[in-house]
Amino acid sequence: QLQLQESGPGLVKPSETLSLTCTVSGGSISSSSYNWAWIRQPPGKGLEWIGSITYNRKTYYNPSLKSRLTISVETSKSQFSLTLTSVTAADTAVYYCARDQTGGSCPDWGQGTLVTVSS
Amino acid sequence: QSALTQPPSASGSPGQSVTISCTGTSSDVGGYNYVSWYQQHPGKAPKLMIYDVSKRPSGVPDRFSGSKSGITASLTVSGLQAEDEADYYCSSFVRTNTAHVIFGGGTKLTVL
Repeated sequence: QLQLQESGPGLVKPSETLSLTCTVSGGSISSSSYNWAWIRQPPGKGLEWIGSITYNRKTYYNPSLKSRLTISVETSKSQFSLTLTSVTAADTAVYYCARDQTGGSCPDWGQGTLVTVSS
Repeated sequence: QSALTQPPSASGSPGQSVTISCTGTSSDVGGYNYVSWYQQHPGKAPKLMIYDVSKRPSGVPDRFSGSKSGITASLTVSGLQAEDEADYYCSSFVRTNTAHVIFGGGTKLTVL
């Protein structure tokens, strides 16, 4: 069974860079059948799709985050990563990584990791 | 790109049916059969309940069904059970200047 696990700092200072990694186990990150996605949820609020990456490194980004966002994949480590620059308090959220099978449908999710932006 | 529009709340008694709507535009819900529905219990990751408008992943009860008409997608929960009380989110593939995915604002389903 596919498992995903987010990792990274739980606290980031304003104006700095948020970096998270998702480790995939129980399946191949190199499959051409899936994309690998990041989704976030501010405390008490709804879900926001951040972006996704294909096995061959094609990326799809939320237009509202595109200027600050990079998603990359390291197939040798079965990991994909999120980098968000110039963060503010509005970037405080639980960040989830997920497998996207088609058109944004995600059957497998990590447990989520809370990232707080504060000085 | 604005979020898809969902009612903030819905409710029903055990055994009843409830339908949650998700309204978008011709660039998202109306243009593609890539609408998904997620169930989220407090403190948990979302769970995929419906994908590609009306398909159910393995293990999801057939009490959950999805449909679409024009720019509005719907999730129907039949035979409501206490454990169905949760937040429900729709999502859709969207292509404007770029291809991406958008979510609805979420609907809190209460089982009375």
